Amino acid sequence: DQQVKQNSPSLSVQEGRISILNCDYTNSMFDYFLWYKKYPAEGPTFLISISSIKDKNEDGRFTVFLNKSAKHLSLHIVPSQPGDSAVYFCAALHMEYGNKLVFGAGTILRVKS
Amino acid sequence: DVKVTQSSRYLVKRTGEKVFLECVQDMDHENMFWYRQDPGLGLRLIYFSYDVKMKEKGDIPEGYSVSREKKERFSLILESASTNQTSMYLCASSLRQGPQHFGDGTRLSIL
Repeated sequence: DQQVKQNSPSLSVQEGRISILNCDYTNSMFDYFLWYKKYPAEGPTFLISISSIKDKNEDGRFTVFLNKSAKHLSLHIVPSQPGDSAVYFCAALHMEYGNKLVFGAGTILRVKS
Repeated sequence: DVKVTQSSRYLVKRTGEKVFLECVQDMDHENMFWYRQDPGLGLRLIYFSYDVKMKEKGDIPEGYSVSREKKERFSLILESASTNQTSMYLCASSLRQGPQHFGDGTRLSIL
């Protein structure tokens, strides 16, 4: 039973356009959400996070939106660059349970130049 | 900058062997984690530790054990390796709260 779902296994976007990666969760106790990026042969790298008390967090080209009522979050990358091509993992946690993350299956993003 | 170092990038072992995967972090983090990554399944938590000599089971602990004798080091042990344990293994560390920082992984093949 996957508590965090990334329903798109892959996404292809033209350089300069917006990339939107989606994530859904089922556990309403989750109160903190993170996005990680992973290149081949490297470990995941933390990208951006959002607390459940917010609905938006922005860091440069990356913005994460949270819709608690829909149990949905999305990562927007604007503008997309070829170096953004990687696997993106959505993760969630319930802070009372400590720093244990539950990950989605990941979405492969390809940015074409 | 946080550095999480996994002792091997690639490892090939035989069925039934006892396998040790080592992880060291240099940022005095309280928490350490072991995950495995499989296609279509994302990262799944095997075990984690929130202090020296403390350990808790994650979502898929069967067939694994861990050891944390020193704060900076967290070892994953496959008691008797089986082919279904062929996977990418990732170690991570973090403060009590905050993002986890990952090593580059160990690709383990069990023949």
